[in-house]
Amino acid sequence: AQSVTQPDIHITVSEGASLELRCNYSYGATPYLFWYVQSPGQGLQLLLKYFSGDTLVQGIKGFEAEFKRSQSSFNLRKPSVHWSDAAEYFCAVGMDSSYKLIFGSGTRLLVRP
Amino acid sequence: DTGVSQDPRHKITKRGQNVTFRCDPISEHNRLYWYRQTLGQGPEFLTYFQNEAQLEKSRLLSDRFSAERPKGSFSTLEIQRTEQGDSAMYLCASSLEGVGQEAFFGQGTRLTVV
Repeated sequence: AQSVTQPDIHITVSEGASLELRCNYSYGATPYLFWYVQSPGQGLQLLLKYFSGDTLVQGIKGFEAEFKRSQSSFNLRKPSVHWSDAAEYFCAVGMDSSYKLIFGSGTRLLVRP
Repeated sequence: DTGVSQDPRHKITKRGQNVTFRCDPISEHNRLYWYRQTLGQGPEFLTYFQNEAQLEKSRLLSDRFSAERPKGSFSTLEIQRTEQGDSAMYLCASSLEGVGQEAFFGQGTRLTVV
């Protein structure tokens, strides 16, 4: 069965430090991959997505992610975190062009001043 | 267009009551999705529509749940005989059909069953 694992429930980084959030998926073929951010009381916002092509994907707010087929991973990175990045981050997998997605359980990012 | 709208934002109901939620998608979007999110978890797919046709339903969607999109525009999700385990955030999203399209999520309806 398809699944998504986000091994870190919480991550705390200092403002200005770099960030990497981990995501591993289980799926037999090449999946469609997504990262979403959810702030308290807000809906999910798409940060970036991978469908095909270049395995390094650029997103909004300075985020990027790299698809590594050999590791079944799609880790999210940002070189310098801002206090406003504090939120919950979800990795998701899709099997086709629909948005019938399987989400991970999320990583809560806390940013130290 | 102001994005995907969901109504109500919050609903408290007694166990055994029926509840109905509404989702208004972005106007030109022909696909509409319902998800459920419980505390500390990621969203779980429930069902989706292409125009008025319900194309897929998750096994999570018990017989007490029904969704409609009668004219291919807004959608309703009804839960009959609510149980405490139905307490969750119900999220709606919409998109255009096709690879590379983005789905936009509403802010959700938080259901509390007491």
